[in-house]
Amino acid sequence: DADVTQTPRNRITKTGKRIMLECSQTKGHDRMYWYRQDPGLGLRLIYYSFDVKDINKGEISDGYSVSRQAQAKFSLSLESAIPNQTALYFCATSDWQGPPYEQYFGPGTRLTVT
Amino acid sequence: KQEVTQIPAALSVPEGENLVLNCSFTDSAIYNLQWFRQDPGKGLTSLLLIQSSQREQTSGRLNASLDKSSGRSTLYIAASQPGDSATYLCAVTAGGSYIPTFGRGTSLIVHP
Repeated sequence: DADVTQTPRNRITKTGKRIMLECSQTKGHDRMYWYRQDPGLGLRLIYYSFDVKDINKGEISDGYSVSRQAQAKFSLSLESAIPNQTALYFCATSDWQGPPYEQYFGPGTRLTVT
Repeated sequence: KQEVTQIPAALSVPEGENLVLNCSFTDSAIYNLQWFRQDPGKGLTSLLLIQSSQREQTSGRLNASLDKSSGRSTLYIAASQPGDSATYLCAVTAGGSYIPTFGRGTSLIVHP
């Protein structure tokens, strides 16, 4: 089984709809991240969480919210989806307890907002 | 703010060539540098991670080097194969927050 899983893998939704993307990990890592990837723009950080009680905004958090339900689960919500949120979304984890702080990525969710 | 640049943005080579992908970063106070591979529409797969105290790491035909003083890392791919075709991204973890900063990647095509 994959260490970092994301659901759904693909989603098409309409403008104005609320949508939630979910991420689960079995690596026991403290830190979890949400990124979006757009062609030509690379990976951009949306939110990150150091532990269940510590959530931080990344560089592009507007229009998004997150919930860390447990150490293993980190959800990303789009309260009112808009077309420019069409992108590939990735969840990642890392072990903050010490070097090497390696990151592990989920398979991604392709979101299309029409 | 850490900035990570990858050159070239795209590369097309014939099978069998040895090639070098470059990654440069502006803040040399790093904890690690990680190279990833991404196939189209897929997730990121970690290839190599170099800690700040290391100079290089090797895995099979891949060799990654790190020169903190010059703010550079290179990923060397020996005897390239069509299956190496993918986008290669580097990520630098620096600063007190340990948040990685990603480059935009190098898109590699190895043609038979």
